[in-house]
Amino acid sequence: GENVEQHPSTLSVQEGDSAVIKCTYSDSASNYFPWYKQELGKGPQLIIDIRSNVGEKKDQRIAVTLNKTAKHFSLHITETQPEDSAVYFCAATGGGYQKVTFGTGTKLQVIP
Amino acid sequence: DTAVSQTPKYLVTQMGNDKSIKCEQNLGHDTMYWYKQDSKKFLKIMFSYNNKELIINETVPNRFSPKSPDKAHLNLHINSLELGDSAVYFCASSRAGELTEQFFGPGTRLTVL
Repeated sequence: GENVEQHPSTLSVQEGDSAVIKCTYSDSASNYFPWYKQELGKGPQLIIDIRSNVGEKKDQRIAVTLNKTAKHFSLHITETQPEDSAVYFCAATGGGYQKVTFGTGTKLQVIP
Repeated sequence: DTAVSQTPKYLVTQMGNDKSIKCEQNLGHDTMYWYKQDSKKFLKIMFSYNNKELIINETVPNRFSPKSPDKAHLNLHINSLELGDSAVYFCASSRAGELTEQFFGPGTRLTVL
């Protein structure tokens, strides 16, 4: 089955700096890579996603890159703000029926 | 106008008891899921239903039984609760098909004493 590794597990940055979270996956059949943000006491919420036929996608301060050959993808958050503090999960989906395998999560702390 | 709702939000119970968690979505989605999130925040899929039909059943003990009375509801019944069942359980839903966003409920924190 799919295995998704995520690094780092914790990340502290100063407000205004950039944050980068990296993930690798094992199943070359995976073709959809969402990123979810989980705030304290809430369910995960999609912030950005990328499909296997795209190398990069950007949405305001958030960008995701995908290298299918190397089987890794990354989340980039620029100009971080305190409200970006949360746990971020990468995920890989493939094999039909939306079986999503999540990474282990990164706790991001943005220091004002 | 909650999209995916779960009840109860908190559940505290004794070992050996049987309990249920209910989930409802008003998004018109065909596919619903149950996830378990442990104390280390690992998020793992347990079950998935598409149009009331079970399509994903991960290696979950038989004590866990999902039931989908209709497309908008997916309930989780747990028999003979064990200490290791303590976790946060999330329900989610999505449109049918592979490449779509999943919408998560607020979670049910289950504590087994």
